Amino acid sequence: DTGVSQDPRHKITKRGQNVTFRCDPISEHNRLYWYRQTLGQGPEFLTYFQNEAQLEKSRLLSDRFSAERPKGSFSTLEIQRTEQGDSAMYLCASSLLVNDEQFFGPGTRLTVL
Amino acid sequence: SQQGEEDPQALSIQEGENATMNCSYKTSINNLQWYRQNSGRGLVHLILIRSNEREKHSGRLRVTLDTSKKSSSLLITASRAADTASYFCATDEVSNYQLIWGAGTKLIIKP
Repeated sequence: DTGVSQDPRHKITKRGQNVTFRCDPISEHNRLYWYRQTLGQGPEFLTYFQNEAQLEKSRLLSDRFSAERPKGSFSTLEIQRTEQGDSAMYLCASSLLVNDEQFFGPGTRLTVL
Repeated sequence: SQQGEEDPQALSIQEGENATMNCSYKTSINNLQWYRQNSGRGLVHLILIRSNEREKHSGRLRVTLDTSKKSSSLLITASRAADTASYFCATDEVSNYQLIWGAGTKLIIKP
């Protein structure tokens, strides 16, 4: 199966620590998205890459959040100095065309203690 | 911020009945998409309808789009227990790259 993969699936960390998540999109998809989802809500857009270029960032993405896609393939999302409010499911998706059908990974569930 | 708003928030029906969910949005869009999410399979794309389309079918799914009312509906016919999930609409705004999501409708199919 060559779907979207995310690593790790679960992360528990203490407040103030840094965490990094990885997303591997479907290989021929040059468009990649990060979302955050909390319980009972839909996904909230965080950022969008076309190849290695980060073309859009949400205002939700504070200075503590940074995302990269250095070679236009996998992407990383780093959260520095984590806060309890960062606890959520972080979803990655990829697509062939911008905002066309998106294929989602299983997500990384972050718990900040 | 969330643009799409699904209605109802929760829906419980008997297996075999039809389920209808609605989505309203606020701005001009290129397309509107419906996704399903359950704990077993994560978020899965169901159907995409473009702004110049009014109705689209895929298997037991029927989606309508009324751009004048800024609303869409998803009909699932002959529901099955496996349809139990949360259903989200997501809109592709004209002005940016974002998909904007609603809070979803939680659908429960009773056997």
